[in-house]
Amino acid sequence: GNSVTQMEGPVTLSEEAFLTINCTYTATGYPSLFWYVQYPGEGLQLLLKATKADDKGSNKGFEATYRKETTSFHLEKGSVQVSDSAVYFCALKLAGAGSYQLTFGKGTKLSVIP
Amino acid sequence: ETGVTQSPTHLIKTRGQQVTLRCSSQSGHNTVSWYQQALGQGPQFIFQYYREEENGRGNFPPRFSGLQFPNYSSELNVNALELDDSALYLCASSEVSGVTYEQYFGPGTRLTVT
Repeated sequence: GNSVTQMEGPVTLSEEAFLTINCTYTATGYPSLFWYVQYPGEGLQLLLKATKADDKGSNKGFEATYRKETTSFHLEKGSVQVSDSAVYFCALKLAGAGSYQLTFGKGTKLSVIP
Repeated sequence: ETGVTQSPTHLIKTRGQQVTLRCSSQSGHNTVSWYQQALGQGPQFIFQYYREEENGRGNFPPRFSGLQFPNYSSELNVNALELDDSALYLCASSEVSGVTYEQYFGPGTRLTVT
């Protein structure tokens, strides 16, 4: 079946540190890949996405590249801020007719300290 | 443009009772999906509605049911509540277009079953 595996959290970083959150996936076919962010007490917000191999999604300084050969979609940011503290979810969605759902990883909690 | 809204924000029910959660889709969106997010986990797909018909279902029992109305608002109904139904319930709306359609999430309803 389809699944997403994220690195275990929590991750604690100092402000301006480099961030990497690993995400690998298993899927039949060619999925689209997403990173969602959930701030405390809120729903999920789409952070970035990539729809085909070698695509790079980017937003708010975050980046992730769709690597088909390693089935990965690692999230990176060069310099984190305290306001980036949140839970980050990697997700996939199969393309084509009949594909309804997002399949999420368990989430990685990021805490950024001043 | 109004985003996805959900009501109520929080709800406490007793085991065996029934509950109805509501979602108002983002303007122009004709598809709504419901997800269950247990504490510390990623969201799990419950089902999706497209133009008032169920369009796909995850691995949830029939006591989880839904409705979508002509104005594309939606309800999630859960009968015979169990303790394990305690979770954050997320609604996401989207406009079906192209191969991938982006889902916009509401803030969720926190359900506690005692």
